[in-house]
Parts: sequence; C-alpha cells; structure tokens
Amino acid sequence: DTAVSQTPKYLVTQMGNDKSIKCEQNLGHDTMYWYKQDSKKFLKIMFSYNNKELIINETVPNRFSPKSPDKAHLNLHINSLELGDSAVYFCASSQDVGVMNGYTFGSGTRLTVV
Amino acid sequence: SQQGEEDPQALSIQEGENATMNCSYKTSINNLQWYRQNSGRGLVHLILIRSNEREKHSGRLRVTLDTSKKSSSLLITASRAADTASYFCATVDNRLAFGKGNQVVVIP
Repeated sequence: DTAVSQTPKYLVTQMGNDKSIKCEQNLGHDTMYWYKQDSKKFLKIMFSYNNKELIINETVPNRFSPKSPDKAHLNLHINSLELGDSAVYFCASSQDVGVMNGYTFGSGTRLTVV
Repeated sequence: SQQGEEDPQALSIQEGENATMNCSYKTSINNLQWYRQNSGRGLVHLILIRSNEREKHSGRLRVTLDTSKKSSSLLITASRAADTASYFCATVDNRLAFGKGNQVVVIP
C-alpha cells in the first residue's frame, strides 16, 4: 500500500502543452503539498492545501494551478509548459498544518519538457 | 522562508565509519527535520527534533540541535552501503523549507 502515490512517474512533453500530475494519499492526513526539485536537487515548496483549502501559494507562475477535490487528493495542472519547468515534482502530506510531524513524500514525477 | 544549509555537500566514507553532516539555518524554528533521498526516489523522513530538544537518537542516527548557534548535525554511526543517499535538513517555521542536501557515498 503506497501512502502517497503520484502519477505519472515520468512525463515527457513538448513546449506549449498542458499536462497534469495526480497525487493521492491514503494516510488520512489533512495537509498536502507540492514541491519542485531542480537539477541541483534543491527542493522548493510550491503549494500547500489543508482540508481542500489553499494555505500556501509560493511565487509560482499562474500557469501552475493546483486542485484539491478532497483532502486525499491534490493534483497539479500546468499550462503552456516551458523548458524551465523540467524538474522532479514531489507531492507530500502531513498530519496537520502545524508541521510538528514529518512529511510523507511520494516518489516523484520527473517532468521533461522538450 | 528560511532554508537549512548543509555542510559539507558531498561525503565519501568506508562502510563501518561514521558520517556527520551539519546544517545551519537563519531564523527561529519550531522544529528541524532530517530526510533521506535515495537516487531517483522520494524523500523519507528520518528524524524530527523540536526546538526545545538538544539531542535525539533513532537507531544509528543521532541528531543534535543548537538553537543559539542555529545549527544541527546528523550523525550516522557504523555506516552501511545502503546509507548511500542524499540527506536533507529541513527547518520549520510555518512550513517545511529544505536545504541543498548532502550526498553521502558509503563504499563497501
């Protein structure tokens, strides 16, 4: 049983396309996140949702739009993909928004824009 | 948001040796966490130390926290080849902010 699952694992697409990455957690956690890891392995938070409500929205282009249909799912839609969007995107979840517990990460989606 | 900064960036050791990584941060925190990332995989939570704690152990892991110096260290004792990974510290004020990561290679 995968606690935080992301699909797809790999995504290769052309510039200008629109794509979505899906994330689901079966841990009963209230809070979910999207992180971006660049080629130097630097991890940066993009979004955070708590019980379907957006609570963190870092400086991310408007082309990125998260959607949380319920607290177990947090999807990421990216419009008009650019070369610089190539990275590994990680979904994560935590028990609550207070970050007093560890995060559980998915295995990542490697996005390559060509 | 603040970020933990690990030092050194890369470490190569023989199996059985200890590995020590340091992390510094810039502002006050609620807690500090260490994560491991194996190549091509997601991050795995290793240990959390709260701001009012100074040392914590978990198996072969020992974490220290010095809030006066805004620094933390992670010690892996009796390293194994399976410990080869990148290790990240992450600081928490109202969100988890990651540092750059230490690449640790344990040579069998």
